[in-house]
Amino acid sequence: DADVTQTPRNRITKTGKRIMLECSQTKGHDRMYWYRQDPGLGLRLIYYSFDVKDINKGEISDGYSVSRQAQAKFSLSLESAIPNQTALYFCATSDPQGYRINEQFFGPGTRLTVL
Amino acid sequence: GENVEQHPSTLSVQEGDSAVIKCTYSDSASNYFPWYKQELGKRPQLIIDIRSNVGEKKDQRIAVTLNKTAKHFSLHITETQPEDSAVYFCAASPGGSYIPTFGRGTSLIVHP
Repeated sequence: DADVTQTPRNRITKTGKRIMLECSQTKGHDRMYWYRQDPGLGLRLIYYSFDVKDINKGEISDGYSVSRQAQAKFSLSLESAIPNQTALYFCATSDPQGYRINEQFFGPGTRLTVL
Repeated sequence: GENVEQHPSTLSVQEGDSAVIKCTYSDSASNYFPWYKQELGKRPQLIIDIRSNVGEKKDQRIAVTLNKTAKHFSLHITETQPEDSAVYFCAASPGGSYIPTFGRGTSLIVHP
């Protein structure tokens, strides 16, 4: 089945370290997203990309950067991790022409802990 | 930008009861309202949606209602079952990009 995958699934790192989270998809969707989930704060959009040459900031982009290496790959980087970036990170894809408008297909999530 | 408020943050019901989750939005340009369900340890998945030209939509035990004038929409679950226990997120999306802005989530607990 077509899917969205994320690596790593869990990561513990230290303050100041650079870290990259990777997302791959076999759904053939052009649109890809990175969200952050914190308890009680819901899902907040970090960055999104509508195609390989398109990168857009979301609600909470400070401290993050992204790279869209191919239609199927979208990576999120934390240049210098800090403890308040400890969270569950989701990658998602969508097809704006789908049966359900722009339905977000989420990956399994990456749990990041910054010590 | 869009702001979505969701209430309550936690909802505890007995099996067989009904559950209602309410959301309000701020941007009148929003015209698409999906609801996502996230089971414990799993990824969110879309369960039902409603467009702004429709006032109500049903799918078996779940229904959504939309009041465009008041800018609020609700999720109704009837005859709740333990497997309905999850976190539910509402979202509002503007026409054009259809990028959703999510509410903070409601943790629904259904007691057997």
